[in-house]
Amino acid sequence: EAGVAQSPRYKIIEKRQSVAFWCNPISGHATLYWYQQILGQGPKLLIQFQNNGVVDDSQLPKDRFSAERLKGVDSTLKIQPAKLEDSAVYLCASSATSGSSWYNEQFFGPGTRLTVL
Amino acid sequence: DQQVKQNSPSLSVQEGRISILNCDYTNSMFDYFLWYKKYPAEGPTFLISISSIKDKNEDGRFTVFLNKSAKHLSLHIVPSQPGDSAVYFCAALSSNTGNQFYFGTGTSLTVIP
Repeated sequence: EAGVAQSPRYKIIEKRQSVAFWCNPISGHATLYWYQQILGQGPKLLIQFQNNGVVDDSQLPKDRFSAERLKGVDSTLKIQPAKLEDSAVYLCASSATSGSSWYNEQFFGPGTRLTVL
Repeated sequence: DQQVKQNSPSLSVQEGRISILNCDYTNSMFDYFLWYKKYPAEGPTFLISISSIKDKNEDGRFTVFLNKSAKHLSLHIVPSQPGDSAVYFCAALSSNTGNQFYFGTGTSLTVIP
């Protein structure tokens, strides 16, 4: 079974530029998550999708971050314009929806390391 | 507001000895806890979990202990192996908030051969 795919793996941009990250979840996984992991910190949830609908985006800085999952499969996360403090690893995760449990294991992709200069 | 804390950024242990990684949480609504392991340039992978109705869960060399009154959990690795060298994150979630994970800041474990 293929895992969660992310691209690019690394990105270096200057502040005020725009950047986009792509994520392809595990086939059949209805739920998709984007996390931001700043160096020395744990992953922080930015947005959670259930199919193509947003479940939780309370911690997404909506003035500069946007995310979409138009067909309920792959997803893109965009930052426009980027700031220095956006330097981080952006992790995508996915989980299946199980009717028998409220908890579903999350599977993570390798992440995209963003450096904003 | 960091609801899950790992106060030791790093830990070094000799091969064959026990590794003990600690995690504290503040939210009494958390009722499920997980440990994830992360190698450089890879995403976190699930290691072991524990429900709040238990105080211990064991899987091979890995055991997680939960002390609800102290809001503390720990991961024991016995015996430690060089391949265990990684960053370990604890995570917590509440059945009230579905599948939203709250991660700790991580502990970097180095197992010395």
